[in-house]
Amino acid sequence: AQSVAQPEDQVNVAEGNPLTVKCTYSVSGNPYLFWYVQYPNRGLQFLLKYITGDNLVKGSYGFEAEFNKSQTSFHLKKPSALVSDSALYFCAVRGINTGGFKTIFGAGTRLFVKA
Amino acid sequence: GAVVSQHPSWVICKSGTSVKIECRSLDFQATTMFWYRQFPKQSLMLMATSNEGSKATYEQGVEKDKFLINHASLTLSTLTVTSAHPEDSSFYICSAFGQGTMNYGYTFGSGTRLTVV
Repeated sequence: AQSVAQPEDQVNVAEGNPLTVKCTYSVSGNPYLFWYVQYPNRGLQFLLKYITGDNLVKGSYGFEAEFNKSQTSFHLKKPSALVSDSALYFCAVRGINTGGFKTIFGAGTRLFVKA
Repeated sequence: GAVVSQHPSWVICKSGTSVKIECRSLDFQATTMFWYRQFPKQSLMLMATSNEGSKATYEQGVEKDKFLINHASLTLSTLTVTSAHPEDSSFYICSAFGQGTMNYGYTFGSGTRLTVV
């Protein structure tokens, strides 16, 4: 069975400092991995994905994520956090062998960036 | 490209009434649509998957007679919460998948906050 873990409920970081939001996954076969951001009372916005290729993936708003197959991780990073980055972040995985295109979401990590 | 419109963004209804939520793909054909429910400070829970022209597939524990899903066209799916009760109050989000949307993962609607009083 596939699963996604976001071990931190909340991450606090000062503006201008680098941020990391952690994600580990379990899936049979090669994974499709995604990061989404959600602002209050809004749907999810796509940030970036890893399907194949370079392990370092660059996405929207200066975010990037590194796929690490040996550690089954896909941590989200940003070199310099902004207050406006404060939001709820979801990691998601879709396994090629799952039925249809079902995607599993992590529990979410709330990011607080303090000015 | 790959825009999904969800309507209404919020709705308040009386207990016992039914509420319909629409999810439209504006610039692509959505062969598959997903409906999620999100409780406060929790992740998305997949309720059902619908493919255009066929019956929806519901996840375990989701009442199909309570949450009616219709995906009659390649651009529209609807979720009807029948005989709503306060415990149905939640944030409902749709997402759509179709030709040309792979690069976006799934494309999500903006969500509907349902409050049943």
